Amino acid sequence: DAGITQSPRHKVTETGTPVTLRCHQTENHRYMYWYRQDPGHGLRLIHYSYGVKDTDKGEVSDGYSVSRSKTEDFLLTLESATSSQTSVYFCAIKEWTGTGYNSPLHFGNGTRLTVT
Amino acid sequence: TQLLEQSPQFLSIQEGENLTVYCNSSSVFSSLQWYRQEPGEGPVLLVTVVTGGEVKKLKRLTFQFGDARKDSSLHITAAQPGDTGLYLCAGSAGTYKYIFGTGTRLKVLA
Repeated sequence: DAGITQSPRHKVTETGTPVTLRCHQTENHRYMYWYRQDPGHGLRLIHYSYGVKDTDKGEVSDGYSVSRSKTEDFLLTLESATSSQTSVYFCAIKEWTGTGYNSPLHFGNGTRLTVT
Repeated sequence: TQLLEQSPQFLSIQEGENLTVYCNSSSVFSSLQWYRQEPGEGPVLLVTVVTGGEVKKLKRLTFQFGDARKDSSLHITAAQPGDTGLYLCAGSAGTYKYIFGTGTRLKVLA
C-alpha cells in the first residue's frame, strides 16, 4: 500500500465552476502525477511534479493547473469545468527503485468527476 | 508524440482458454510495464521489462519485451475468472514520463 488518498471520490459539478481534486501521500515520494482515464484512451498524463513547487505539463494539460506546496499533497484544479473534462482522474506516485525508468507507479483509487 | 496501441481492445473468453494481448509502438522505450485494473480501483503493477527480448513469467502470465524495445506482449495460459480486468501497458519515456496504452478489457467466463 503506497498510502495514496484521493478526495473526493465522486463529484458532480456544473459547467463553468472551479473544481479542485486532492491527492495525498504518506510516504514522501518525490514524483507525483495526475492522469485522466477515458474509454478508448487509456490513461493520459495531465501534469506531473518532481518536487515541491516543481511541476510540468503532460499531454492533455489545457484547462488544468496544479500545485504542490508540500511533498505530500498534489492538487489538480479545473479553473472552469467543461463537459469534456468529465472523466475519472487518477493520482499516482513513482516509487523510486534506483533507475528512474524502471520505477513502478502506484495509483490512488480515482476521482469520478461529472460536469453537467 | 509517442503512442502505445493495444490489441485487442476487448476480449471475452471461456475459462481455460489461452490469450495474448499486444502492445505496439513506433517509438523505443527504456522499459515497459504492464498493469491490471479492476473496477473502481487504480491500476496495479504486474511486471516491468527492461531488456530487449526479455521474458518474464508471473504464474500463468508471460510477458515479453520486443527485441527493438518497441513492443510487448502478455500471454495468459488457462485463463481464470480472476484474470478479468483491464490490462494496460505503459512505456517509460524518460525519467519522469510514462505513456500508457489504450487498454485491453478482458472478461473470462466461468
